Amino acid sequence: DSGVTQTPKHLITATGQRVTLRCSPRSGDLSVYWYQQSLDQGLQFLIQYYNGEERAKGNILERFSAQQFPDLHSELNLSSLELGDSALYFCASSALSGFGTGELFFGEGSRLTVL
Amino acid sequence: QKEVEQDPGPLSVPEGAIVSLNCTYSNSAFQYFMWYRQYSRKGPELLMYTYSSGNKEDGRFTAQVDKSSKYISLFIRDSQPSDSATYLCAMGYNNNDMRFGAGTRLTVKP
Repeated sequence: DSGVTQTPKHLITATGQRVTLRCSPRSGDLSVYWYQQSLDQGLQFLIQYYNGEERAKGNILERFSAQQFPDLHSELNLSSLELGDSALYFCASSALSGFGTGELFFGEGSRLTVL
Repeated sequence: QKEVEQDPGPLSVPEGAIVSLNCTYSNSAFQYFMWYRQYSRKGPELLMYTYSSGNKEDGRFTAQVDKSSKYISLFIRDSQPSDSATYLCAMGYNNNDMRFGAGTRLTVKP
């Protein structure tokens, strides 16, 4: 158990809809990272927050947004969903402000299916 | 061309075999290199981390980095069925960027 909690584990929705994925980092970790994992693209970095502030941005679509709250949990909002958004979404946390040594602790992911 | 290339496999070996997993990369600025293991329906977990060229050993696992060839490898000795997982290489060059390979699915058969 990595200590990172993600909800929901599975989500099925329709095109055009909006969903919110939630992540609670390991106790004491200030950084939260969001990744998208699909079969053809592998693990793609979306965005990172550190202590409530956006720290780094990857290949995140404009339809997606995220935030980190004062209690350090984070939410990833996906809107105007398309079939191609179907993927596993992982949250990871670390104590560092950046990738540092690369040790990220991943949650078990939220599987999104867009029909 | 992707910055990090990794053969997705799948790779199937008998128990006890030596497994070799590889990644190539194009960005010479990458400074640190990692291998993550991902079991089915789980998130990735860090397996090995190296900062320089050469070998690093941890039990049955050896990570090898050749910066001149832009090539990294993970060797698993005496492979076990419990090693069956997807192995992802990852690499980074600053504090705010890290790239993952697509992952190689490994099955070790008893």
